[in-house]
Amino acid sequence: QKEVEQNSGPLSVPEGAIASLNCTYSDRGSQSFFWYRQYSGKSPELIMSIYSNGDKEDGRFTAQLNKASQYVSLLIRDSQPSDSATYLCAGGAAGNKLTFGGGTRVLVKP
Amino acid sequence: DAGVIQSPRHEVTEMGQEVTLRCKPISGHDYLFWYRQTMMRGLELLIYFNNNVPIDDSGMPEDRFSAKMPNASFSTLKIQPSEPRDSAVYFCASSFSGQGQGGYTFGSGTRLTVV
Repeated sequence: QKEVEQNSGPLSVPEGAIASLNCTYSDRGSQSFFWYRQYSGKSPELIMSIYSNGDKEDGRFTAQLNKASQYVSLLIRDSQPSDSATYLCAGGAAGNKLTFGGGTRVLVKP
Repeated sequence: DAGVIQSPRHEVTEMGQEVTLRCKPISGHDYLFWYRQTMMRGLELLIYFNNNVPIDDSGMPEDRFSAKMPNASFSTLKIQPSEPRDSAVYFCASSFSGQGQGGYTFGSGTRLTVV
């Protein structure tokens, strides 16, 4: 059983809108969480990390973490066609080891 | 920095043949990870090393898979004998413990096709 769950999508959003991606995890030992973006045929690229409950903003991206609910989310504001990709949620416990979710495919339509 | 370098980019081999995938991590990184990605199973951790020592190989699917890290700048993942179900994209990633957990940099991957 996967320890990190994501809706596979596709999540279709119009250009300029907010894309909201969700992720749940089962390992309460997970202390740190990450969002990676993966374009088709490319490798994953780290875009956000979050370690504490609450919100963390970086440019158009906001990550949210709720450890009590075991829930992580990513908001993409002012979505652009270049944001069309698969977004991978990952959780880490000990030893720098990450467990990845299956990814959510996002399509931003002009 | 050139990033994490993997070779080859693509590999097509016949069932039963030995396959060796190679990885050069970022200089100074003390963790190295091998992942496999398929549509059905997503990204799966196969094995990871810390300071060249294997820490967790529980994700290695079978004895046909083996990995080594003889020094800080080189690692290999070997499949012998290969089977069609091994077809996937294999990623190597490295990270530095001093920059906080999870700051992985992935290589470009090796797309393996076993026919």
